[in-house]
Amino acid sequence: DTGVSQDPRHKITKRGQNVTFRCDPISEHNRLYWYRQTLGQGPEFLTYFQNEAQLEKSRLLSDRFSAERPKGSFSTLEIQRTEQGDSAMYLCASSLGTSGNNEQFFGPGTRLTVL
Amino acid sequence: AQSVTQPDIHITVSEGASLELRCNYSYGATPYLFWYVQSPGQGLQLLLKYFSGDTLVQGIKGFEAEFKRSQSSFNLRKPSVHWSDAAEYFCAVVGPNNYGQNFVFGPGTRLSVLP
Repeated sequence: DTGVSQDPRHKITKRGQNVTFRCDPISEHNRLYWYRQTLGQGPEFLTYFQNEAQLEKSRLLSDRFSAERPKGSFSTLEIQRTEQGDSAMYLCASSLGTSGNNEQFFGPGTRLTVL
Repeated sequence: AQSVTQPDIHITVSEGASLELRCNYSYGATPYLFWYVQSPGQGLQLLLKYFSGDTLVQGIKGFEAEFKRSQSSFNLRKPSVHWSDAAEYFCAVVGPNNYGQNFVFGPGTRLSVLP
């Protein structure tokens, strides 16, 4: 399978715990995006990387959220001190090129439930 | 700020009937426009995109969309719906010429197909 993969697919945690999600993009893609999607809504942009550089973060992204892409390949999204409002589907996407209008290929997402 | 509206939250059509899903955007210039489909448990898949040129674009799975600058719309159509088209459909925009690097998605329209 050469598509975008995400791990885990589901995560249940208790409020206050830290969680980390992983995204493996399509191998030659230099851009990697993170989105959050809540029930009944479209994906909401969180942040994106071009290679290993994090170029933009949404103003909606709390300080409890941090993302890395250390070698310009896979990426991790960590949420510290989770809150019930963090419950959502976290989507990763990748694209090839340096323009924001290139097609983004999405992974299946990680569904987070915070109890 | 740019925004995307999809006025119909949920649409139900009979199999074989025609379909039109509405999308309107608010943007300072003509953005790049996309339609994605999301099936349960699947990642978002690109149906079609519009950058410039012919305002009627063809996509996969028999879908097409028409860009109307005067109405700031990019409606998705299909002449004959199949049961497998039942899914969530998202319209998305991104700024032209690297202005605004991230996609802005609409809230989605859920399509149900009656046998």
